[in-house]
Amino acid sequence: DIQMTQSPSTLSASVGDRVTITCRASQSVNKWLAWYQQKPGKAPKLLIYDASNLESGVPSRFSGSGSGTEFTLTISSLQPDDFATYYCQQYNTYSPLTFGGGTKVEIK
Amino acid sequence: EVQLLESGGGLVQPGGSLRLSCAVSGFTFNTYAMSWVRQAPGKGPEWVSGIIGSGGSTYYADSVKGRFTISRDNSKNTLYLQMNSLRAEDTALYYCAKDFPKFENWGQGTLVTVSS
Repeated sequence: DIQMTQSPSTLSASVGDRVTITCRASQSVNKWLAWYQQKPGKAPKLLIYDASNLESGVPSRFSGSGSGTEFTLTISSLQPDDFATYYCQQYNTYSPLTFGGGTKVEIK
Repeated sequence: EVQLLESGGGLVQPGGSLRLSCAVSGFTFNTYAMSWVRQAPGKGPEWVSGIIGSGGSTYYADSVKGRFTISRDNSKNTLYLQMNSLRAEDTALYYCAKDFPKFENWGQGTLVTVSS
């Protein structure tokens, strides 16, 4: 299985901060990586796919980059609505599809 | 608007069975692959199974292979997950998701609790 490791596991930040979350794969997943946002009691929401493509309707302050084994999700200016948990997911290998452990973005 | 509505969850004893359903609307169902993803309390999401638009190919996580069966009825715009030989570790909120192998839209989930 491809292991996905996110860092940090928790991040404290203020409104307006630039925030970066890292996701590392145990082997190359090429560009086949997605990022999701999940708020308490809600289903995850797709933000980024194919490592850097912004899903329709997602604010442009979200961006993704990387390829191979190292990826980042950046929020250029953190907004109150962005406090949530973020997950990466690889889909290079179907057996199985795997998620990272999550990064919780908290209010500082 | 894409809508995914799961049902069929509940409390079941270890070794028991459940059939989950996901009724969809707002998109052309038979042109999209679909997935089931679960999330145990306090944990991250875990992919369970996927199926292509025609239903001709299916995919499973090793943890459920041989016990769970994904299927779809394109005439009813409905996705299913038949779960047999349930174990305590299958306890989770089960989400239906549009597309595979990434998940574009998610339902609200249906809770499956496996306990005696």
